[in-house]
Amino acid sequence: DIQMTQSPSSLSASVGDRVTITCRASQSISSYLNWYQQKPGKAPKLLIYAASSFQSGVPSRFSGSGSGTDFTLTISSLQPEDFATYYCQQSYRTPYTFGQGTKLEIK
Amino acid sequence: QVQLVESGGGVVQPGRSLRLSCAASGFTFSSFAIHWVRQAPGKGLEWVAVISYDGSNNYYADSVKGRFTISRDNSKNTLYLQMNSLRVEDTAVYYCAREGWGYDSSGYYRNSGFDYWGQGTLVTVSS
Repeated sequence: DIQMTQSPSSLSASVGDRVTITCRASQSISSYLNWYQQKPGKAPKLLIYAASSFQSGVPSRFSGSGSGTDFTLTISSLQPEDFATYYCQQSYRTPYTFGQGTKLEIK
Repeated sequence: QVQLVESGGGVVQPGRSLRLSCAASGFTFSSFAIHWVRQAPGKGLEWVAVISYDGSNNYYADSVKGRFTISRDNSKNTLYLQMNSLRVEDTAVYYCAREGWGYDSSGYYRNSGFDYWGQGTLVTVSS
């Protein structure tokens, strides 16, 4: 199975900050990498697919990059509604494994 | 609009069975692969199983292989997860999710992650 490792596991930041979350795959997954946002008690929401493509309706402050084994999700200017947990996921091969999550908290 | 609505969760004793359903609407159900994803209380997301658009192929996580069966009825726009020999560690919120399609940055049309999710149904395995 392909292991997905996110860092950091948690992060404290302020409104307006630029934040980067990284995700590393245990083997090359080309650009088959997706990012999700999850708020407490809610289903995850797709933000970015294919490493850098925007899901419809997602604010442009979110961006993704990377290919192969190393990927990043960047939020250019944090807004209050962005405080949530973020997950990466590979869709290169089943099982479609998720990273362990990054909890973004208000400083 | 696209909707996925899970049902069938509840409290069940270890070793017993439960069947979850996921009712789809607002899109051509028979054109999309659908997944089950679960989340144990306070934990991260765990992919469980997938079924192809026509039901001809399915894949499972090792943790549920041989115990869970994913199926679909395209005439009823409904996905199922039959869960047998349930264990305490199967306790989780279970989500169904649609595998979408979209164009990547190179212009290729390809799978685009799980673009729609249900609200989840809680399964508690406890004696």
